[in-house]
Amino acid sequence: AQSVAQPEDQVNVAEGNPLTVKCTYSVSGNPYLFWYVQYPNRGLQFLLKYITGDNLVKGSYGFEAEFNKSQTSFHLKKPSALVSDSALYFCAVRDDNQGGKLIFGQGTELSVKP
Amino acid sequence: GAVVSQHPSWVICKSGTSVKIECRSLDFQATTMFWYRQFPKQSLMLMATSNEGSKATYEQGVEKDKFLINHASLTLSTLTVTSAHPEDSSFYICSARDPRLQQFFGPGTRLTVL
Repeated sequence: AQSVAQPEDQVNVAEGNPLTVKCTYSVSGNPYLFWYVQYPNRGLQFLLKYITGDNLVKGSYGFEAEFNKSQTSFHLKKPSALVSDSALYFCAVRDDNQGGKLIFGQGTELSVKP
Repeated sequence: GAVVSQHPSWVICKSGTSVKIECRSLDFQATTMFWYRQFPKQSLMLMATSNEGSKATYEQGVEKDKFLINHASLTLSTLTVTSAHPEDSSFYICSARDPRLQQFFGPGTRLTVL
């Protein structure tokens, strides 16, 4: 079965510093990977996805993610964090063996302090 | 991006009553919609997948008689929590998938059962 794991429950970063939110995946076949962000009491907002092609994927709000096949990772990154980036981040994989449903990681709470 | 709405955004009800939550895709047709449940600061748990015009497919452990899902049109799916109890209190999020298999999330509905 397809799965993703986010090893960190929380990540703390100072404003202006680079941030990384980690995600590793376990899939059979080609991975379709996604990152979403959730602000308090809101639904999920799409940030970026990897389907095929370049390993470095650029997304919304200055975020990017690097697909690393050898390490089975898809870490989310941003060169300079903003306080407004503080939110809950979810990595997800699309399981095409189960009707294309998204399988989510546990979530990582990002806190950016001024 | 495409817009998915949910109504109501929050609801408080008495134990034993039923509550209906609507999910609409506003600018695209969604043959498939998904219903998720989320506890505070936790991941999204897929409850069921609904396809327009057919019965929903429920995930293991989700009571289909408790959580009634109807997907009567290509733009509307409803989730009815029947005979709600305090343990049903949660954040419910719907998602709609467009013909290109892109999935868009609603803003969520906060249900509190007294």
